[in-house]
Amino acid sequence: DTGVSQNPRHKITKRGQNVTFRCDPISEHNRLYWYRQTLGQGPEFLTYFQNEAQLEKSRLLSDRFSAERPKGSFSTLEIQRTEQGDSAMYLCASSLDEGIQGYAEAFFGQGTRLTVV
Amino acid sequence: AQKVTQAQTEISVVEKEDVTLDCVYETRDTTYYLFWYKQPPSGELVFLIRRNSFDEQNEISGRYSWNFQKSTSSFNFTITASQVVDSAVYFCALRMQTGANNLFFGTGTRLTVIP
Repeated sequence: DTGVSQNPRHKITKRGQNVTFRCDPISEHNRLYWYRQTLGQGPEFLTYFQNEAQLEKSRLLSDRFSAERPKGSFSTLEIQRTEQGDSAMYLCASSLDEGIQGYAEAFFGQGTRLTVV
Repeated sequence: AQKVTQAQTEISVVEKEDVTLDCVYETRDTTYYLFWYKQPPSGELVFLIRRNSFDEQNEISGRYSWNFQKSTSSFNFTITASQVVDSAVYFCALRMQTGANNLFFGTGTRLTVIP
């Protein structure tokens, strides 16, 4: 499978616990994005990596959220002290650099659905 | 600021009917991209089409067609002869040429095709 892979697919956790999700992008893609999708809404941008550098973070990404991409390959998204409002689908996407063509398609994973009880 | 509005929350049609999903966007950028994605019950986002801001040609792909009108900031999507397999949530999205190049999504339209 050469698509974007996310693990786990589902996670149920108790309020106050920490959770970590993993995203494996398409191997040659150097850009990686995290989005959050709550019920009945469209995905919302959380953060973006260019190789291992985290270049942009949304205001949605509170201090309890941290994302890493240590070697410029897979990425992890950790939520500390989870709250019920964190319940959502967390989507990862990857793409190549824009290059001179000015555009590169983003490919999405199937997401990790988090339920905080 | 960028914004995408999909005013239709839910639409139901009977199989073989045509249906149009509306999308209105806001941006001050002169170069941008518009997208439609399909999200079936399984959850993954399936890319359908991308349009550049400087290309207003309408496009037809099988039963799908798209109408991009810069004058009204709209990018509408029509499915002709709808099928049950078209049932899904459809998202319109906007992306800038600059910055993080992330997507700004609308709230989606849930389409139900009744057999």
